Amino acid sequence: SQKIEQNSEALNIQEGKTATLTCNYTNYSPAYLQWYRQDPGRGPVFLLLIRENEKEKRKERLKVTFDTTLKQSLFHITASQPADSATYLCALPGSSNTGKLIFGQGTTLQVKP
Amino acid sequence: KAGVTQTPRYLIKTRGQQVTLSCSPISGHRSVSWYQQTPGQGLQFLFEYFSETQRNKGNFPGRFSGRQFSNSRSEMNVSTLELGDSALYLCASSGGLAGNYEQYFGPGTRLTVT
Repeated sequence: SQKIEQNSEALNIQEGKTATLTCNYTNYSPAYLQWYRQDPGRGPVFLLLIRENEKEKRKERLKVTFDTTLKQSLFHITASQPADSATYLCALPGSSNTGKLIFGQGTTLQVKP
Repeated sequence: KAGVTQTPRYLIKTRGQQVTLSCSPISGHRSVSWYQQTPGQGLQFLFEYFSETQRNKGNFPGRFSGRQFSNSRSEMNVSTLELGDSALYLCASSGGLAGNYEQYFGPGTRLTVT
């Protein structure tokens, strides 16, 4: 069955450093992959979508890579700030052209000042 | 544009009761998906509605059901509540068509079953 794995341990980094989060998947050939941010007690917020034919995508301080051979996506936050502290979720489509997303368990990022 | 709204935000129910949760999507969005989030299982897909039809269903028992109205608003119902149904229930809206894949989530309804 389809499986998505994210670092289960929290990631603690110092302000100003680059945070790198990993999303690995198996038994899957997704047409795209999405990243969301979730703060405690709130709904996830869409950050970035990267398609299978794209190697890299950037948005301000965020960068996502997508390696379909390794079945892996990396999510980078450069010049991290304490306000970036949150849980980051990787999501893959559950089927084509529908609103079904399969989420990873998420990685909690803590940026210390 | 107004975001996705969910009502109620908090709910306390007793085992055996039933509950109805409501979701109003972003104006113009035709797809509404529902998710259950718990600390142990994470975010799990319940079902998706598009133009009043259930387009996809997750692996949840038949006690969980939903519907969508002509104005795209959606409701989900859980009957015969169990303690394990305590969770944050999230709905998300999207355009629902090819290319409109990002989902916009509401704040969620926190359901506690005692």
